[in-house]
Amino acid sequence: DAGITQSPRHKVTETGTPVTLRCHQTENHRYMYWYRQDPGHGLRLIHYSYGVKDTDKGEVSDGYSVSRSKTEDFLLTLESATSSQTSVYFCAISEILAGRYNEQFFGPGTRLTVL
Amino acid sequence: GENVEQHPSTLSVQEGDSAVIKCTYSDSASNYFPWYKQELGKRPQLIIDIRSNVGEKKDQRIAVTLNKTAKHFSLHITETQPEDSAVYFCAASAPGYALNFGKGTSLLVTP
Repeated sequence: DAGITQSPRHKVTETGTPVTLRCHQTENHRYMYWYRQDPGHGLRLIHYSYGVKDTDKGEVSDGYSVSRSKTEDFLLTLESATSSQTSVYFCAISEILAGRYNEQFFGPGTRLTVL
Repeated sequence: GENVEQHPSTLSVQEGDSAVIKCTYSDSASNYFPWYKQELGKRPQLIIDIRSNVGEKKDQRIAVTLNKTAKHFSLHITETQPEDSAVYFCAASAPGYALNFGKGTSLLVTP
């Protein structure tokens, strides 16, 4: 597996509390992504980053914010968690060289439960 | 934006049979089409990918075909084995854009 870690791996929290998930990579890849995975919906893109301090919204960005202050770290924040944000969250990294998209590697995932 | 449709959502085959999963995409600018396998409780992992400049790619028992005109691509698994049981995701992306995933196919290979 590529050098990607996620923390925490499991979290239970209450509605209305802030939550931050961390993705850390050691591959020096420029692109980093946050997905959520829910039954029947596959993998849906929340936010992605194409460089330090460069981020953009994905398909399901409402209620989430991200930050990337260093190449190796990409943080996902739920400002006020809701039960609809109960999900498995995957971070992914990739590089695009000479205009060609290269393999996207996934982290191990974080299971978040919002009560 | 890109929309990827994947069928079927579930597929059950007998060991040794072939399995075929099909995906369609909407953005004619898409040029990269990977397939991921996700075992229960694990992360998705790339098993094969194809770029728009080729029509077919094979790797042992798995193959992917691409029809750019019809905007669809397929995963073919031959001589299926119980360890092929997993959820398979197709995806598509245009240059400079993130991957868009299909909703997944749960494949069950019964001995």
